[in-house]
Amino acid sequence: GENVEQHPSTLSVQEGDSAVIKCTYSDSASNYFPWYKQELGKRPQLIIDIRSNVGEKKDQRIAVTLNKTAKHFSLHITETQPEDSAVYFCAASKGTNAGKSTFGDGTTLTVKP
Amino acid sequence: SAVISQKPSRDICQRGTSLTIQCQVDSQVTMMFWYRQQPGQSLTLIATANQGSEATYESGFVIDKFPISRPNLTFSTLTVSNMSPEDSSIYLCSVSGGKAEGTEAFFGQGTRLTVV
Repeated sequence: GENVEQHPSTLSVQEGDSAVIKCTYSDSASNYFPWYKQELGKRPQLIIDIRSNVGEKKDQRIAVTLNKTAKHFSLHITETQPEDSAVYFCAASKGTNAGKSTFGDGTTLTVKP
Repeated sequence: SAVISQKPSRDICQRGTSLTIQCQVDSQVTMMFWYRQQPGQSLTLIATANQGSEATYESGFVIDKFPISRPNLTFSTLTVSNMSPEDSSIYLCSVSGGKAEGTEAFFGQGTRLTVV
């Protein structure tokens, strides 16, 4: 089955700096890669996603890049703010079953004011 | 996005008992899933809830322990049977394939289960 590895497990940055989280996946058939943000005690919230026919997608301060050949994708957050502090999960799925995902282990991002 | 309601939001249960968790969506969705998130860890898919037929379970999860129902396109239940302290976790339902969501997946608020 699919295996998703996520790095780093913890990341601490100064407010205003950029943060990058990287994931690799094993199943070349995976074609949908969402990123979720989970604040303490809350549900995971989809923040951005990318499909395998696209190399990069941006939404304001958040961007995701995908390298299908190398089977890795990354989340980039620019101009970080304290409210960006949370656990971020990458995931991979295939076909149209976006909800049937394999998740990475998560990255705890701390943005220091 | 769809509004997903899970009940109960939390519960403390005695070992050996069972708990049924409900997931209600305010619009029809194609797919419903159940995940488990153990404290401080990632999400693990338990099963796909299939409307009108038996759920499809992932490796390591069995129907006798986690029976699932999905009588229609807006509702599903997950039962955690014969509970032990190892079942203490957050259980989340997830939906995708609705009119508003397209193929993106969204999560309910979760049920925090503690088994004593």
